[in-house]
Amino acid sequence: SQKIEQNSEALNIQEGKTATLTCNYTNYSPAYLQWYRQDPGRGPVFLLLIRENEKEKRKERLKVTFDTTLKQSLFHITASQPADSATYLCAPRMTAGNKLTFGGGTRVLVKP
Amino acid sequence: DTAVSQTPKYLVTQMGNDKSIKCEQNLGHDTMYWYKQDSKKFLKIMFSYNNKELIINETVPNRFSPKSPDKAHLNLHINSLELGDSAVYFCASSQEGGRGRGELFFGEGSRLTVL
Repeated sequence: SQKIEQNSEALNIQEGKTATLTCNYTNYSPAYLQWYRQDPGRGPVFLLLIRENEKEKRKERLKVTFDTTLKQSLFHITASQPADSATYLCAPRMTAGNKLTFGGGTRVLVKP
Repeated sequence: DTAVSQTPKYLVTQMGNDKSIKCEQNLGHDTMYWYKQDSKKFLKIMFSYNNKELIINETVPNRFSPKSPDKAHLNLHINSLELGDSAVYFCASSQEGGRGRGELFFGEGSRLTVL
């Protein structure tokens, strides 16, 4: 069955450092992969989308990579700030119109 | 103006009752969803409607019945509530057709507590 794995342990990181989160998937061939941020008590918010033919995508201090051979996406927050503290969810997707299934999320805590 | 709004935000009710959650989106999107987030924070899709037609119906008890009166609204009715239904229910919308990228816009969630 299809599986999406994100590190369930919280990632504690010092302000200014780079946080790297992993999303692994099995029994999937997603056409693209989305990353979302969720703050406590709020709905997830879309951050980035990367397609299978794209190796890397950037948005401000965020960078996402997508390795279809390793079946893995990495999500980087550079120069992290306490305001980046949240849970980050990955969501691979087969094609448009197909259901979007989320990983369990990784909680990031950036300490000043 | 809130893009995806759902009501109520909190719902506390007794086992066996019937309740509804309403959702509206003003983004002009063609697809709407209901997701359930349990106490372990896993976000699971329940239903999806595209242009008022049901396109995704995950393995959900038939006590849960979605209804989409039009493209901008998707309601969720739950009959005979059980303790295990306690969760946060998120409504979301996306544009799948045309130039849509399929990114989901979520509401703030409706926290259902069944006693």
